[in-house]
Amino acid sequence: QVQLQESGPGLVKPSQTLSLTCTVSGGSISSGGYYWSWIRQDPGKGLEWIGYIYYNGNTYYNPSLKSRVIMSVDTSKKQFSLRLSSVTAADTAVYYCARGSDYFDQWGQGTLVTVSS
Amino acid sequence: EIVLTQSPDTLSLSPGERATLSCRASQSVGSNYLSWYQQIPGQAPRLLIYGTSSRATGIPDRFSGSGSGTDFTLTISRLEPEDFAVYYCQQYGSSPPYTFGQGTKLEIK
Repeated sequence: QVQLQESGPGLVKPSQTLSLTCTVSGGSISSGGYYWSWIRQDPGKGLEWIGYIYYNGNTYYNPSLKSRVIMSVDTSKKQFSLRLSSVTAADTAVYYCARGSDYFDQWGQGTLVTVSS
Repeated sequence: EIVLTQSPDTLSLSPGERATLSCRASQSVGSNYLSWYQQIPGQAPRLLIYGTSSRATGIPDRFSGSGSGTDFTLTISRLEPEDFAVYYCQQYGSSPPYTFGQGTKLEIK
């Protein structure tokens, strides 16, 4: 069964860029027709889909975050990544990577990212 | 963007009882593309149901989903101790962004 694991800094300063990586194990990132998503969870706002990427680099971002989000994929390392620029305290959340573009059948354990000076 | 409203916010029941959770959409969900997730505190959400009524791999048959249009239901026929958690609905029937409900907490009475 495929497993996903997020990694990256747990603390980011305001106005800086949040960078996270998701490593996929137990399966291929480039076969099966799967898309790979980022989702975040803020206790106050619930779950929010950030966007998805396909193994060929095609992406689709949530319009509300589109101007600040860049996703990338490295198939040789079986990793995909999220960059969110110009962060504020409102971006503090648990960030999950997940498999799927519409519904999400495998999730990473999540990583808490706090935006604070 | 479709807004999903779940009710009730909290549901208090005992093991062995039947649970009925509701999810209402602000507009019709295309192709009834609605999913349900279970989240235990400290863990990631787990997919239970997709396409309104299809159970995900490994999900017990005490979990069932139904509905269409704007009204959807997750039913747990006989509650087990491990079922007490927070449940979220999510729609993917319209163009992204795909949206989630605010959650229903199922707690032990």
